[in-house]
Amino acid sequence: DTEVTQTPKHLVMGMTNKKSLKCEQHMGHRAMYWYKQKAKKPPELMFVYSYEKLSINESVPSRFSPECPNSSLLNLHLHALQPEDSALYLCASSSAASEAGELFFGEGSRLTVL
Amino acid sequence: GNSVTQMEGPVTLSEEAFLTINCTYTATGYPSLFWYVQYPGEGLQLLLKATKADDKGSNKGFEATYRKETTSFHLEKGSVQVSDSAVYFCALTAYSSASKIIFGSGTRLSIRP
Repeated sequence: DTEVTQTPKHLVMGMTNKKSLKCEQHMGHRAMYWYKQKAKKPPELMFVYSYEKLSINESVPSRFSPECPNSSLLNLHLHALQPEDSALYLCASSSAASEAGELFFGEGSRLTVL
Repeated sequence: GNSVTQMEGPVTLSEEAFLTINCTYTATGYPSLFWYVQYPGEGLQLLLKATKADDKGSNKGFEATYRKETTSFHLEKGSVQVSDSAVYFCALTAYSSASKIIFGSGTRLSIRP
């Protein structure tokens, strides 16, 4: 059983829609991450939160907006996406940002943008 | 800069065959090294790790040894099973950027019964 839970597992949205991806962990981890994974590629880092503060933004377009309401929750708000944003979005956590090598991943949210 | 290079896939083997997936790295200082596995339809899972030279990481019959002299961290398993079919990612974190993990391109492994 994964200890990082992501919802929804699948999402289809139009380019004018607003939707959100949610991630939850109860391991007491203080760092949480969003990754984007295209087919047959490794995950690409998007954002890192450390102690609920955004510490890394990998020059992600503003149509992706992360939010960390508390130490257990991480959201990714989506607005005006493009078809090329279709991908698997993975949430991960680690005990601390300095332990980014030991990540616990969720199963991902597969996003399709029409 | 820091980078990871792994062998191109896909790799197809028969059950009970010996597996090697090659991984080499470029990094300043002394990185920590990892292997992650991604089963179909799932997220990634940490398979094993090594944090210093000559360390051997092992888990589920898989092993990898941190070789600083050859900057390598090859993944091996003596007898693969169909259930080992997955994509395997070699990765590193460097002291200078411990909050970022760098993944290799991944190697798809398929095991025939």
